[in-house]
Amino acid sequence: NAGVTQTPKFQVLKTGQSMTLQCAQDMNHEYMSWYRQDPGMGLRLIHYSVGAGITDQGEVPNGYNVSRSTTEDFPLRLLSAAPSQTSVYFCASSWGTSGEETQYFGPGTRLLVL
Amino acid sequence: AQSVTQLGSHVSVSEGALVLLRCNYSSSVPPYLFWYVQYPNQGLQLLLKYTSAATLVKGINGFEAEFKKSETSFHLTKPSAHMSDAAEYFCAVSEVTDKLIFGTGTRLQVFP
Repeated sequence: NAGVTQTPKFQVLKTGQSMTLQCAQDMNHEYMSWYRQDPGMGLRLIHYSVGAGITDQGEVPNGYNVSRSTTEDFPLRLLSAAPSQTSVYFCASSWGTSGEETQYFGPGTRLLVL
Repeated sequence: AQSVTQLGSHVSVSEGALVLLRCNYSSSVPPYLFWYVQYPNQGLQLLLKYTSAATLVKGINGFEAEFKKSETSFHLTKPSAHMSDAAEYFCAVSEVTDKLIFGTGTRLQVFP
């Protein structure tokens, strides 16, 4: 099992550009989520999905879009990049939505918006 | 609303000394509590979790944490620090769903 994979590892964007951060898991997990990590702020939930075709907003959803057309993939789209979106982005997945499930994290995507 | 507070953004210990990383939570219902570790330039991995079974939870690499409802705490400890324990540690809480709420993290430094 590859676990949770994320691409790219690093990306530089100019303000106003759009891009998609890819996330895939091969564990047949129902639940997938996106977090951003900023210094001194821990990880904050952007969007999450409890299954294919179902997504919902987290704590900091503005400026981001998601879709879940398959169980395996959960891409995160930046519609019009802003310097405030400079961050490290982590995708995570887990079996279910009971609250006690272990979440498995990808290695992260480091994004710099100029 | 649930929340997590980690006291101390940086903790330094000598190799062989006790490690104590503090976590207090706020939750309106019995929570699930987690400690995750992040090594430099890596994703997070689970150290241990509390899911309402035993209040003393043992995790990987010799770490353990005790759930104390009366103190709303879930502090992480390790009797003897090793150089390889240097990392950032995150406490997290979840309720009904798998929406994890993270603390701001504690960076552990271990000196020889």
